[in-house]
Amino acid sequence: DAKTTQPPSMDCAEGRAANLPCNHSTISGNEYVYWYRQIHSQGPQYIIHGLKNNETNEMASLIITEDRKSSTLILPHATLRDTAVYYCIVPYADKLIFGTGTRLQVFP
Amino acid sequence: SAVISQKPSRDICQRGTSLTIQCQVDSQVTMMFWYRQQPGQSLTLIATANQGSEATYESGFVIDKFPISRPNLTFSTLTVSNMSPEDSSIYLCSVRWSGTSNQPQHFGDGTRLSIL
Repeated sequence: DAKTTQPPSMDCAEGRAANLPCNHSTISGNEYVYWYRQIHSQGPQYIIHGLKNNETNEMASLIITEDRKSSTLILPHATLRDTAVYYCIVPYADKLIFGTGTRLQVFP
Repeated sequence: SAVISQKPSRDICQRGTSLTIQCQVDSQVTMMFWYRQQPGQSLTLIATANQGSEATYESGFVIDKFPISRPNLTFSTLTVSNMSPEDSSIYLCSVRWSGTSNQPQHFGDGTRLSIL
């Protein structure tokens, strides 16, 4: 099973880009990388996922390195509402295994 | 986007009692899952709810403690049986609309359960 490693916490100024890194060095060729976030007292919210190409949607961009051993979630213009715990997940046997994630604090 | 509703949203229960949590989706889904989030911790998968058959439980979770039903493609229940204070957690339902494993799961807002 591919495990992920994320920094426990990060800060970001409002309006700036938030770049959240994730290492998944044991990922295999057909495994996707998923990003979720959990805002306090809510269920996890799906953000984006990708296999090997960079992906962008209305919430964020996902940059995956060419060797697929790491990725970066980019929130282009962070707002206070983006303060949350962000989880990078490589599913194991079709299951989401949540680690401890990165607690992102956006400050004014 | 589809709506995932959990009932109740929160409850306070006495030890030794049981509580059934409902998860209702407003469109048919292929997969339904139940998770637990203990205070200050991350989510842990309890089981996969299978339509028309017994749920598939993860290591550390058993049917006698967490019986699950899934009578159709839009509804599932999780019962927390013979509750103790250690069962105080948030219980979350998630769904996946497609049988294709590379499609994301989507979560309800959970049921916050406290046992006295």
